[in-house]
Amino acid sequence: EPEVTQTPSHQVTQMGQEVILRCVPISNHLYFYWYRQILGQKVEFLVSFYNNEISEKSEIFDDQFSVERPDGSNFTLKIRSTKLEDSAMYFCATSLDNEQFFGPGTRLTVL
Amino acid sequence: KQEVTQIPAALSVPEGENLVLNCSFTDSAIYNLQWFRQDPGKGLTSLLLIQSSQREQTSGRLNASLDKSSGRSTLYIAASQPGDSATYLCAVLKTSYDKVIFGPGTSLSVIP
Repeated sequence: EPEVTQTPSHQVTQMGQEVILRCVPISNHLYFYWYRQILGQKVEFLVSFYNNEISEKSEIFDDQFSVERPDGSNFTLKIRSTKLEDSAMYFCATSLDNEQFFGPGTRLTVL
Repeated sequence: KQEVTQIPAALSVPEGENLVLNCSFTDSAIYNLQWFRQDPGKGLTSLLLIQSSQREQTSGRLNASLDKSSGRSTLYIAASQPGDSATYLCAVLKTSYDKVIFGPGTSLSVIP
């Protein structure tokens, strides 16, 4: 069964550094999403992406964040200058129509 | 703005009990509702998805019901086992390509 994959599974970085989280969507999916979950809290929506454009973004998704599909397959989330409060699990999800399929997540730890 | 709540926040039961987890949502105009399982520090495992036109879905010992008009869903787990211990998340989708809105989860512990 096709699945969404994410790399790395765990990323440790120093505050102020840039990180790129990668997601490989299910091959025929057209809609892409990033969510995050701070330890002990709800899963929160960050951004949705369709046809090479951001469809919607939450108030969390400020100028420090960006998304792109650089090669038509990977879907990436970039955090330009990480803060301590960016430490969280980041989930990618992809969809063709009525159901989003979630990846296993990347645990980001900012020191 | 859609809000999703779950009751109880935590539940501890002896092995073998049948149990019910509750989910409420404030806007009944949903496209579908999904139940996920999350083990500590891990990802989201989809358990059941109920389309807005459906009343319930079943998978093994799990049964999820949906009452859209009252903004409620329940997840019924029959004959609970220690391996069922995890956090169970309810999530709703407003339209087919919209963001998923998650509840805070119910942390379940099944005692052998």
